[in-house]
Amino acid sequence: AQKITQTQPGMFVQEKEAVTLDCTYDTSDPSYGLFWYKQPSSGEMIFLIYQGSYDQQNATEGRYSLNFQKARKSANLVISASQLGDSAMYFCAMRGDTGANSKLTFGKGITLSVRP
Amino acid sequence: GAGVSQSPRYKVTKRGQDVALRCDPISGHVSLYWYRQALGQGPEFLTYFNYEAQQDKSGLPNDRFSAERPEGSISTLTIQRTEQRDSAMYRCASSLWSGLAGGNEQFFGPGTRLTVL
Repeated sequence: AQKITQTQPGMFVQEKEAVTLDCTYDTSDPSYGLFWYKQPSSGEMIFLIYQGSYDQQNATEGRYSLNFQKARKSANLVISASQLGDSAMYFCAMRGDTGANSKLTFGKGITLSVRP
Repeated sequence: GAGVSQSPRYKVTKRGQDVALRCDPISGHVSLYWYRQALGQGPEFLTYFNYEAQQDKSGLPNDRFSAERPEGSISTLTIQRTEQRDSAMYRCASSLWSGLAGGNEQFFGPGTRLTVL
């Protein structure tokens, strides 16, 4: 079974500053993938970034980077230079590496508010 | 280049009625997933298909829930004899295939907000 834990209460960050959103996970799968999705107040689910468990380097996508610490089973999302449009709920998710284990398991999410 | 579409976007029904929720995945995507999301929570897996074959239905809460994808494209999630506890956002997602190589992210539709009175 896979489990994602997101325990931070609502997060606040000043515009243009960086913020880290925490995610820890648990799995017995030897190979897996970690994902972050953004859900603004409009309700969409927007894919942000992916990290494979065997990737040697931390993933980056524009202002998003993933601080992957495999031994600690953590996959924190770092947003640099926060913008007002970053205010949203953020979900960490994981899946296994086979088709049989392709369903995403999500955490409860973290609400981020960016202050002007 | 359309994304995943779902219909209806909102559905209000009375307890005991049947509802059918539709999902139209991204063209060419082999894998299609259904999730349910309660307010303030992350989505929870219901079932998924590769082409027309239902691969995993372990997340369906009970036998009132069923899903099909008869031609390997559009999928329908059906809830029979709806109950108030079925009220939630039902989301569909699709991906190129079900493997993980390259990430193969799932693209989500806008969801159907179901309210059972």
